[in-house]
Amino acid sequence: QVQLQESGPGLVRPLQTLSLACTVSPGFISTPDYYWSWIRHLPGKGLQFIAYISHSGNTYYNPSLKSRLSISVDTSKNQFSLDLRSVTAADTAVYYCAREDCTSGTCSHFDLWGLGTLVTVSS
Amino acid sequence: DIGMTQTPLSLSVTPGQPASISCRSRQSLLHTDGKTYLYWYFQKPGQSPQPLIYEVSKRFSGVPERFSGSGSGRDFTLEISRVEAEDVGIYYCMQSVDVPWTFGQGTKVEVK
Repeated sequence: QVQLQESGPGLVRPLQTLSLACTVSPGFISTPDYYWSWIRHLPGKGLQFIAYISHSGNTYYNPSLKSRLSISVDTSKNQFSLDLRSVTAADTAVYYCAREDCTSGTCSHFDLWGLGTLVTVSS
Repeated sequence: DIGMTQTPLSLSVTPGQPASISCRSRQSLLHTDGKTYLYWYFQKPGQSPQPLIYEVSKRFSGVPERFSGSGSGRDFTLEISRVEAEDVGIYYCMQSVDVPWTFGQGTKVEVK
């Protein structure tokens, strides 16, 4: 059964880089049927899609965050990662990694989510 | 971005009674392929969101029949025919007709 697990620091200083990794169960990341995404739950504001990446490196970034974002994939480690630069308190959120279902030929929804990790931006 | 507005933002329901949540999008969610990309998710306390309904009205595998979705274009509804204690949590609508995919603010459902 496929599982996703986020990892990374729970506290990041303002203007530093928030770096998170998502580990996918072995053998499941290298498939064209799914894309790999980051989503965050901002306090009082709900869920926000951040970015996705395919196993081959195709990417999409939310335009509202694009200038500060990088997403990468390492299939040898069954991981994909997120870097968000120059963070502020407004980036404090629960960050989820998730799998996008593209099995119908069109990516349509997030069918599997990690448990999420709280990241606080504070000095 | 396609804005998604849910109402109400919170709901308190007596067990066994129905519940209804509305979701309105800023533009039509009907794709040129003929499908309407409106999804519903449910997040239990302490857990991550899980998919409930896809393409407006289709239940994902394992979702109880008491959950149903309806609507078209820009207006959609999630209904729970008879609320149970395990239905407590937050419900989100989400559109995937255009990137970036966007979510409603969430509706918190409590049981009286």
